Amino acid sequence: QKEVEQDPGPLSVPEGAIVSLNCTYSNSAFQYFMWYRQYSRKGPELLMYTYSSGNKEDGRFTAQVDKSSKYISLFIRDSQPSDSATYLCAMGYSSASKIIFGSGTRLSIRP
Amino acid sequence: DSGVTQTPKHLITATGQRVTLRCSPRSGDLSVYWYQQSLDQGLQFLIQYYNGEERAKGNILERFSAQQFPDLHSELNLSSLELGDSALYFCASSGGQLASYGYTFGSGTRLTVV
Repeated sequence: QKEVEQDPGPLSVPEGAIVSLNCTYSNSAFQYFMWYRQYSRKGPELLMYTYSSGNKEDGRFTAQVDKSSKYISLFIRDSQPSDSATYLCAMGYSSASKIIFGSGTRLSIRP
Repeated sequence: DSGVTQTPKHLITATGQRVTLRCSPRSGDLSVYWYQQSLDQGLQFLIQYYNGEERAKGNILERFSAQQFPDLHSELNLSSLELGDSALYFCASSGGQLASYGYTFGSGTRLTVV
């Protein structure tokens, strides 16, 4: 079983829709959680960072962490064609240096 | 531009050959991480260097090696290449030994082994 599971998609939604992306994980030691966005032929870029359970909002993006269920989500409101990319969840813990990534969900926003 | 520079962007080579990928971290960052991204495996952690010393090792094959130089740039050496080594290789950097606030990634080197 992988430490981090993520539905690879692809996910296609119309412009303006609310998008929900999710990951589950098995290691209860994870303390911080991130979402990276990766455009085609580019490196991943950090989109959202959260530490422990709860919600964090940044513009149209909301990251949600439920440590009791080992489940994290990223919501995108008013989705735009420019949001079309692969979204990778990632997580780690403070005493370790490596970050574990999900396999990524490919998202397409239709104009 | 993320500030992390990787060269070359593309590399095509034959099986059995050896290649070197280069990475310059973001200014001020002391840690360099190498990841391999393939379609079936996703982003896999290979190795981390912090200020010239190996800090953590992941799923790195014995045919692969890395080092970080005094100017903090890093090189990933891949030898006896096989078709299955074809992938995107990313370098990332962070300020400290631990990646508590995430990494900054370069744009990657696409390696094709034929």
